[in-house]
Amino acid sequence: QLQLHESGPGLVKPSETLSLTCTVSGGSISTDNYYWGWLRQPPENGLEWLGNVYYGGSTYYNPSLKSRVTISVDKSKNQFSLKLTSVTAADTAFYYCARGPYAVRGAAYFDFWGQGTLVTVSS
Amino acid sequence: DIVMTQSPDSLAVSLGERATINCKSSQSVLYSSNNKNFLAWYQQKPGQPPKLLIYWASIRESGVPDRFSGSGSGTDFTLTISSLQAEDVAVYYCQQCYSTPLTFGGGTKVEIK
Repeated sequence: QLQLHESGPGLVKPSETLSLTCTVSGGSISTDNYYWGWLRQPPENGLEWLGNVYYGGSTYYNPSLKSRVTISVDKSKNQFSLKLTSVTAADTAFYYCARGPYAVRGAAYFDFWGQGTLVTVSS
Repeated sequence: DIVMTQSPDSLAVSLGERATINCKSSQSVLYSSNNKNFLAWYQQKPGQPPKLLIYWASIRESGVPDRFSGSGSGTDFTLTISSLQAEDVAVYYCQQCYSTPLTFGGGTKVEIK
């Protein structure tokens, strides 16, 4: 059974960079036709898509993040990562990694999700 | 960006009764090349990540009970729970997977009356 697990600091200071890693187990990240995505959800709020990456390196990002986001893949470790720069309190949220099958130009639904990790931005 | 609008924001339904959630997209999510609607539905319970229920508007994900069904095409979609069970109490989200940026509806909270 495919599993995804987010890891990284739970507290980040304002203006610094948020860095999270998603480790995929039970399957290979280097599988054709699957994208790997990052999403977030502020507490008691709705879902926001941050971006997707393909194992070959293609990426798609949400323009609302104004170039603050970078997603990369490490095939050797079966991991993909999120970096979000210049964070503010508005970036406080649960961050999820997920798998997106059958993507067209990076657009996908998500069939497997990690449990999520809460990242708080505070000094 | 495609804006997804869900209604109602919340609803209370008696056990065993039908629950209906609507989702409207600001533009069509129907791919003419394969005649599929790129619309998914998720269920989220407190403290858990979203769980995929329905994709391509009407295809039930493996393991999802058949009391959950999706319908609609183009810009108007519906998630129906035919006979509400206690374990169905959750927030339900629709998502368009037609184009990036991927966008979600605001969610519908389903409770027991």
